[in-house]
Amino acid sequence: DAGVTQSPTHLIKTRGQQVTLRCSPKSGHDTVSWYQQALGQGPQFIFQYYEEEERQRGNFPDRFSGHQFPNYSSELNVNALLLGDSALYLCASSPLAGLTDTQYFGPGTRLTVL
Amino acid sequence: DAKTTQPTSMDCAEGRAANLPCNHSTISGNEYVYWYRQIHSQGPQYIIHGLKNNETNEMASLIITEDRKSSTLILPHATLRDTAVYYCIVRVGTGGGGADGLTFGKGTHLIIQP
Repeated sequence: DAGVTQSPTHLIKTRGQQVTLRCSPKSGHDTVSWYQQALGQGPQFIFQYYEEEERQRGNFPDRFSGHQFPNYSSELNVNALLLGDSALYLCASSPLAGLTDTQYFGPGTRLTVL
Repeated sequence: DAKTTQPTSMDCAEGRAANLPCNHSTISGNEYVYWYRQIHSQGPQYIIHGLKNNETNEMASLIITEDRKSSTLILPHATLRDTAVYYCIVRVGTGGGGADGLTFGKGTHLIIQP
């Protein structure tokens, strides 16, 4: 049973560029959440997708947007990159139904903005 | 802000039990206690969660006080591979209605000494 997968593993961009990160959820999961983790900090919640719609959003600007596809995979898009966007971007998947929706994380994408 | 308080760092000898405390004095009746750990530069790994009863799985045990204002994660026989940052998180159980993103604090850096 494959866990959460993310691509690419590493990415280098320059300021002002746009980037797209991808995530495939764990089998049987239909909800995807994205997190940003700056160096030395805990992960910060960006947003969550369910049924192809954004259902909750953290304190991130509109430059951060996402999409969920019918197969439950998801993309995170960041426009007009800033140096401060350099971070580890984590995707987590969970089953929405059930008493508790434990989130399982992927390995992350390391984004460096120069 | 995170709803939990954890020590910044702890040491434990290899082979001994590692006991990681967490204070969550403002926890609500419908909030669960979750524990995750993150080994350097990897995605967070789910360990265990509980509501009010003590829980045990193949990785760890979770002891929650009767008033639910604090808890302890126990790794029964710590190994060098258990060196990681451990996060204690409180969050609402879904009840089938979905749940929010995780709010991570700074966690406890557990160092297992040989």
